[in-house]
Amino acid sequence: QVQLVQSGAEVKKPGASVKVSCKASGYTFTSYGISWVRQAPGQGLEWMGWISAYNGNTNYAQKLQGRVTMTTDTSTSTAYMELRSLRSDDTAVYYCARDQVLAFMDVWGQGTTVTVSS
Amino acid sequence: EIVLTQSPDFQSVTPKEKVTITCRASQSIGSSLHWYQQKPDQSPKLLIKYASQSFSGVPSRFSGSGSGTDFTLTINSLEAEDAATYYCHQSSSLPHTFGQGTKLEIK
Repeated sequence: QVQLVQSGAEVKKPGASVKVSCKASGYTFTSYGISWVRQAPGQGLEWMGWISAYNGNTNYAQKLQGRVTMTTDTSTSTAYMELRSLRSDDTAVYYCARDQVLAFMDVWGQGTTVTVSS
Repeated sequence: EIVLTQSPDFQSVTPKEKVTITCRASQSIGSSLHWYQQKPDQSPKLLIKYASQSFSGVPSRFSGSGSGTDFTLTINSLEAEDAATYYCHQSSSLPHTFGQGTKLEIK
């Protein structure tokens, strides 16, 4: 079955970086893109950006430009999201989701909790 | 950026009731509007794509309508398992944005 499995929870200090992975299975990885969405505690959903697994093209939310990098490894069908210069307000659950054409997200990972605390 | 405003923010409903959630966009987005359901401590799940197209496996009591700036998610004959927060999402222009969410409580 189609699924996305994300890496485990992370605890980071302010100023550090985090890299979350998202391993895809059950479909042709390069035929879809991956969107990243985060959710702060008790808050709504925030779109972070999208990457094409076909050619690596990316679109990032402007508020994260310069701090976020999304990549893919087609040999392992894995997508990655790295966020740098972490702040306390980056504390959130980070989700990856399959998104073929920068439209709807039809399969979601289980989420990765990132806690930023000194 | 396009702002999506959902109403209501919270609704307490009884089983078998009909529920309507609205999503209004700050500018026209055509039919590029999608609906998700998120239960506590779970990942969101796609319900409706492109305003009115039901996603595979979603119960038929869920339906969507609208275009332009005004959209509606309707749940006919609500069931206890529908207790969740519902989000609309626009993919018409970057950055993509979500509504603030509508929390449904089952009485």
